[in-house]
Amino acid sequence: AQRVTQPEKLLSVFKGAPVELKCNYSYSGSPELFWYVQYSRQRLQLLLRHISRESIKGFTADLNKGETSFHLKKPFAQEEDSAMYYCALSAYGQNFVFGPGTRLSVLP
Amino acid sequence: DGGITQSPKYLFRKEGQNVTLSCEQNLNHDAMYWYRQDPGQGLRLIYYSQIVNDFQKGDIAEGYSVSREKKESFPLTVTSAQKNPTAFYLCASQEGGAGANVLTFGAGSRLTVL
Repeated sequence: AQRVTQPEKLLSVFKGAPVELKCNYSYSGSPELFWYVQYSRQRLQLLLRHISRESIKGFTADLNKGETSFHLKKPFAQEEDSAMYYCALSAYGQNFVFGPGTRLSVLP
Repeated sequence: DGGITQSPKYLFRKEGQNVTLSCEQNLNHDAMYWYRQDPGQGLRLIYYSQIVNDFQKGDIAEGYSVSREKKESFPLTVTSAQKNPTAFYLCASQEGGAGANVLTFGAGSRLTVL
């Protein structure tokens, strides 16, 4: 069965510090991995997906199939990055599976 | 302005009552989903529908029902059989076709059982 884990419920960093939100998955095939973000009083929205290989709002995520991880990274956190972050997996022909989420708090 | 509209935003229900949450989309998306969002548990899938007049149970379908009579609409009924209905409910839609594997979410409906 597919599963997504995010070990940190809450992650607090200071403004300007590097940030890494961890995501691990279990799936035997080749899934597609996503990061979704929910800012305060806003809708859950797509931040990035691994097939796009983009940097969005300074965030990047690399799919490591050997470690089955898709960690989200940003070299210098900003206060506006404070939000709830969900890692998600989608396998071909099957539904999305979401992790429990990590709340990122960027302190001034 | 395309998007997904969920209503009502807030809803209060007495125990033993059924309640229906509305979800409408004008994105012409084929698939629609209902998730329940609880703190520390992420999003759990209740029901989904890939095409009109067809829907499937998700991981936590017990106590819920849906219909998909129109492509644009996917209402969710929370029945009195749902043991712990107080939660935040999210509706999403998904564009069909290869490479379009992205969910678009509504603003959500918060249900509180009194």
